[in-house]
Amino acid sequence: NAGVTQTPKFQVLKTGQSMTLQCAQDMNHEYMSWYRQDPGMGLRLIHYSVGAGITDQGEVPNGYNVSRSTTEDFPLRLLSAAPSQTSVYFCASSRLTGIRSDEQYFGPGTRLTVT
Amino acid sequence: GEDVEQSLFLSVREGDSSVINCTYTDSSSTYLYWYKQEPGAGLQLLTYIFSNMDMKQDQRLTVLLNKKDKHLSLRIADTQTGDSAIYFCAEQRSSNTGKLIFGQGTTLQVKP
Repeated sequence: NAGVTQTPKFQVLKTGQSMTLQCAQDMNHEYMSWYRQDPGMGLRLIHYSVGAGITDQGEVPNGYNVSRSTTEDFPLRLLSAAPSQTSVYFCASSRLTGIRSDEQYFGPGTRLTVT
Repeated sequence: GEDVEQSLFLSVREGDSSVINCTYTDSSSTYLYWYKQEPGAGLQLLTYIFSNMDMKQDQRLTVLLNKKDKHLSLRIADTQTGDSAIYFCAEQRSSNTGKLIFGQGTTLQVKP
């Protein structure tokens, strides 16, 4: 298994540009999520999905869209990039095994800079 | 409040014990987790504790949970230079969705 893969690893955007961060997992996990990590603020949940066709907002969803057309893929779209979206973005996935969410597997991250 | 709070930095000498503390706010939290992040990498699950437990030990790691005070700690015995990383606590607030709320992370520096 490749686990959770993210592309690209690094990206520089100009203000107002749009782009899609890709995330894929090959573990047949139901749950997938996107976090952003900023210094001194830990990880904040942007959007998450508990299965194909189902998405929901996390703590900081504004400026981002997601879709979950397949179990494997969970792309994150930046509609009109802003400097405040400069961050490291992590995708994670896990099984949903009843009461406890199974271990979340994290991708290697995408470092995004918006100028 | 919605926050999970951690101190930002801890420095210890190699061989000493490290204790990383965390406070959370939701008394209905079901599971609490400790993750480790090494430089340039994603997060790796270290251990977790169910909210009806007081303590969990796993080799050099001991997790203590004080549910009354909503306080969680991670003790690393015989800390090594390879333990230098950022440590995140996280709480799971609702069952069956996988949603985790993370603290800000504690940077552990281990001096030889």
